[in-house]
Amino acid sequence: RKEVEQDPGPFNVPEGATVAFNCTYSNSASQSFFWYRQDCRKEPKLLMSVYSSGNEDGRFTAQLNRASQYISLLIRDSKLSDSATYLCVVLRGDSNYQLIWGAGTKLIIKP
Amino acid sequence: EAGVTQSPTHLIKTRGQQATLRCSPISGHTSVYWYQQALGLGLQFLLWYDEGEERNRGNFPPRFSGRQFPNYSSELNVNALELEDSALYLCASSFSGGAGEQFFGPGTRLTVL
Repeated sequence: RKEVEQDPGPFNVPEGATVAFNCTYSNSASQSFFWYRQDCRKEPKLLMSVYSSGNEDGRFTAQLNRASQYISLLIRDSKLSDSATYLCVVLRGDSNYQLIWGAGTKLIIKP
Repeated sequence: EAGVTQSPTHLIKTRGQQATLRCSPISGHTSVYWYQQALGLGLQFLLWYDEGEERNRGNFPPRFSGRQFPNYSSELNVNALELEDSALYLCASSFSGGAGEQFFGPGTRLTVL
């Protein structure tokens, strides 16, 4: 089982709709969580950190559920420019301090 | 402010050769990370350098190595290239201790023939 798992998609969503993806992690020592976005054939870029209390940045909302060991990303009023692969990233908090990257969820927004 | 830069953009080598990839971090960042991304796959962590020291390495054979220079730039070396080493190699940088907030360069696409 992978340490960080995501549904690869693709999620095909009409413009203006709301879409949500989850990401599960298996290492309970994980301490920090992030969503990155990667456009086709481009480098990943940090979208947002995920705080314990949940956080919102414009149309994007991230949630953390430590008990069930998952994080989620909600995108409201989706735009064509939201089409990308969304990467879930978990920072291990144990002695093997490193980022663990999910394989990504592909999102396609259709006009 | 300049972002993370990587060179070369593309590199073509033959099996058994050595490849050297270079990365310059954002000014003020002391940590540099290297990742391999094979076509259609997720990022695989290779190496992490901070303040000139190797802090961690991923599950890759020893023929993948690197170093960080006093100016915090970094080099990734891949010896005895194999066909499956063909991938996009991404470098990222962050402030020391800021491993979650990494800024990536555009990558070097390595093709092994």
